[in-house]
Amino acid sequence: AQRVTQPEKLLSVFKGAPVELKCNYSYSGSPELFWYVQYSRQRLQLLLRHISRESIKGFTADLNKGETSFHLKKPFAQEEDSAMYYCALSPYGGSQGNLIFGKGTKLSVKP
Amino acid sequence: NAGVTQTPKFQVLKTGQSMTLQCAQDMNHEYMSWYRQDPGMGLRLIHYSVGAGITDQGEVPNGYNVSRSTTEDFPLRLLSAAPSQTSVYFCASSYEQGGDPYGYTFGSGTRLTVV
Repeated sequence: AQRVTQPEKLLSVFKGAPVELKCNYSYSGSPELFWYVQYSRQRLQLLLRHISRESIKGFTADLNKGETSFHLKKPFAQEEDSAMYYCALSPYGGSQGNLIFGKGTKLSVKP
Repeated sequence: NAGVTQTPKFQVLKTGQSMTLQCAQDMNHEYMSWYRQDPGMGLRLIHYSVGAGITDQGEVPNGYNVSRSTTEDFPLRLLSAAPSQTSVYFCASSYEQGGDPYGYTFGSGTRLTVV
């Protein structure tokens, strides 16, 4: 079954500390993986996708097919990073309007 | 270019009432979809469409209907509202280019309360 698991509901760190939001997936084919961010009461915004290998707002994520993981990392957290983060998988190698989301991790960055 | 527009932003319904959540996009995207967002549950796919006249069910389709008569519009109908449908609803659109997903864009959401 296709599944995205984000094991932490809440992650709390201090400003300047490193951050790692975990994401594991279950999919038999070649998935496309994404990280979305949702700031308080705003719409979801695409943060990263693994095919572009970009670094956005200091965040990076590497797809590890052996561990079926796509963890999101940032070396120095900022208060403005506080938000909900969702890992998502596209199971068909294309959008097809069908993303599978994890349950989300709330990141809280304390001053 | 407004992107994905959802109306209304907020709605309160009584149990048993019906209503339609509107979603429109002006990016000529082929794909559109509806998700509901519930605390601790993430986003779950309700229905999706890969083009005008083509729709399919997602993970949680019961109690909802959709149609896609035009590329731009993808309304979500609640047939007989139930308290379990209290949620935040997000519409999204996207297109595929060379086998890769592109331009996956979300609307600002509709916060629905069923009493």
